[in-house]
Parts: sequence; C-alpha cells; structure tokens
Amino acid sequence: DAGVIQSPRHEVTEMGQEVTLRCKPISGHNSLFWYRQTMMRGLELLIYFNNNVPIDDSGMPEDRFSAKMPNASFSTLKIQPSEPRDSAVYFCASSQGGTGNNEQFFGPGTRLTVL
Amino acid sequence: GENVEQHPSTLSVQEGDSAVIKCTYSDSASNYFPWYKQELGKGPQLIIDIRSNVGEKKDQRIAVTLNKTAKHFSLHITETQPEDSAVYFCAASKGGTSYGKLTFGQGTILTVHP
Repeated sequence: DAGVIQSPRHEVTEMGQEVTLRCKPISGHNSLFWYRQTMMRGLELLIYFNNNVPIDDSGMPEDRFSAKMPNASFSTLKIQPSEPRDSAVYFCASSQGGTGNNEQFFGPGTRLTVL
Repeated sequence: GENVEQHPSTLSVQEGDSAVIKCTYSDSASNYFPWYKQELGKGPQLIIDIRSNVGEKKDQRIAVTLNKTAKHFSLHITETQPEDSAVYFCAASKGGTSYGKLTFGQGTILTVHP
C-alpha cells in the first residue's frame, strides 16, 4: 500500500485566495483525521470522519475552514479566504476506525504558506 | 476534554546514553497511549503504544511505562543512536465513540550527539 497520500506537498498562495488540500486515506481505513501543525500550537486536530461522516469538527478554527469526505477514498480541507496565520503544515491521517483504539497512519503533510 | 502535558520540550544526550520523556494526562477515561516519532519533513509515525491494562511494554531499545493512578506515562530509549534524533509526541485516547481521537502532547525534540 502507498500509505496516506496528500497533495499538494507545498502550497504558496496570497492572502484572500482559496486553498484546497487533498487526502487519500489507506484503502480499507474507515476513519480520517485532519491536523494542523505549527511551532506555537503543536499538533492540533481540526476534524475527523468515520465512514465518511464528520464526527467532531470542534477543532476547526473558523468558518473559513471546511472539510468534506465525499467517499471512502478522498477528503478535502478547504480554506476560503486564506490568511497569513493559516500558514502551517497540514496532515491527514487514517485508521481502521470503529470504536477501538487503532494506529493512525499519517501522510507526508502539505506545507501551506499564505503571503 | 483531555489535556496531555509533555516534558521536556528539548532533550540532548550523548550516543549510547538513555533518554526519558514523560507525559501526564487529565482524563481518567483515557485507555490508549501511543508514542509517535516525527523526522524532519515527514509525518509522525507510531513507534510504540500501551493500553491501560498493561503497566509496561518493551520493543528492543524502546520501552513505555504507564501509571494509571498518577495518570502519567513515559518513553524510555536505551543505547541511543544518532538516528533516534527526531521529535517525539505522546498522545492519549479513550476509544469508544471518539473513534480513536488522539490528544497529543507538545512534543520533545531529541538530539543524540555522536
């Protein structure tokens, strides 16, 4: 398996532009997690899905952030409009899901820079 | 909600020495405690985990201990090597309807000097 795939790996955009980050989880995994990592705040959980349904989006910082999971093999995290303070590394992770505790497998991340 | 505190934030050791990283958690319902290693430019990767029905677990040079009463757990790395240099994160989860949601500590930057 190729592991969790994220695209793009790097994104540089200007303030006010829309940004879309993409994630393909490991095949067969039922849970998907979006994280943001910064030096100041560490690893923050933004939102997670189980069986394509959003379970908890309490970590989403503002209404400018939205996430979707239209099917089991694809998820997007969108920021509209983007701001410089959104600059961070965004990780997607997936796990087998269910109600147990399962290892989360992280993707390589997308480094977002908003100018 | 759960709160995980991790110490120290940075740790520098000589090759061959041991390294210990400590974490405390606040939610007594947490029952799963993984440790992740993050190398530069990569996503975190699980290196060892422990569940609340076990007090200690070992995998070669890495061991984790758990004290449920005191609500703290620790990562021990023996015979450190330069390739152990990375950022280490502890995390806690309580399973159930949280679907494995993890709360992470702030991370420890470990540097192993040759």
